[in-house]
Amino acid sequence: NAGVTQTPKFRVLKTGQSMTLLCAQDMNHEYMYWYRQDPGMGLRLIHYSVGEGTTAKGEVPDGYNVSRLKKQNFLLGLESAAPSQTSVYFCASKAAGGRKETQYFGPGTRLLVL
Amino acid sequence: QKEVEQDPGPLSVPEGAIVSLNCTYSNSAFQYFMWYRQYSRKGPELLMYTYSSGNKEDGRFTAQVDKSSKYISLFIRDSQPSDSATYLCAIPNAGGTSYGKLTFGQGTILTVHP
Repeated sequence: NAGVTQTPKFRVLKTGQSMTLLCAQDMNHEYMYWYRQDPGMGLRLIHYSVGEGTTAKGEVPDGYNVSRLKKQNFLLGLESAAPSQTSVYFCASKAAGGRKETQYFGPGTRLLVL
Repeated sequence: QKEVEQDPGPLSVPEGAIVSLNCTYSNSAFQYFMWYRQYSRKGPELLMYTYSSGNKEDGRFTAQVDKSSKYISLFIRDSQPSDSATYLCAIPNAGGTSYGKLTFGQGTILTVHP
């Protein structure tokens, strides 16, 4: 099992450009999440999904859109990138169930917006 | 006030030292408490979780919860250079519609030098 994979690993964008980050999981998990990680801020939830075709806003959703057309994939889109979106983005997945079930994280995508 | 507060450090200790990492939280409804470890340029991985108050030990690691003080700790005995990482406390959101969401502390950067 590959677990959670993210594409691309690193990307440089210019302000105003758009891009899509892809997350894939092979664990048949119902729940998937997108986070951003900034120095001194910990992990902050951007959007999440509790099943195919469903998405919901997290703590910092502005400037991002998501889609979950297939259970194993969760896409994060930036329509018009801004320097404030320079960050490391992590995708995670989790089986539905009790709160003690862990989230499994991907390796991250480092995004630099100039 | 953030729901979960963690001193970001950085913390630098000599090999063999006892390390204490701490978080405070504000929501008394929280029941599960987790510690994630994140190596440089990697995604976080679950290290330990505890339920309610008390201690839980796993090898050189001990997780401690004091619900009366809303204080959680992670102790590392006989620290090794391989323990150098960022440690994040994480608390599953309370409530029936939490959907596995976690609230993370800011993370503490730990360096264990030989």
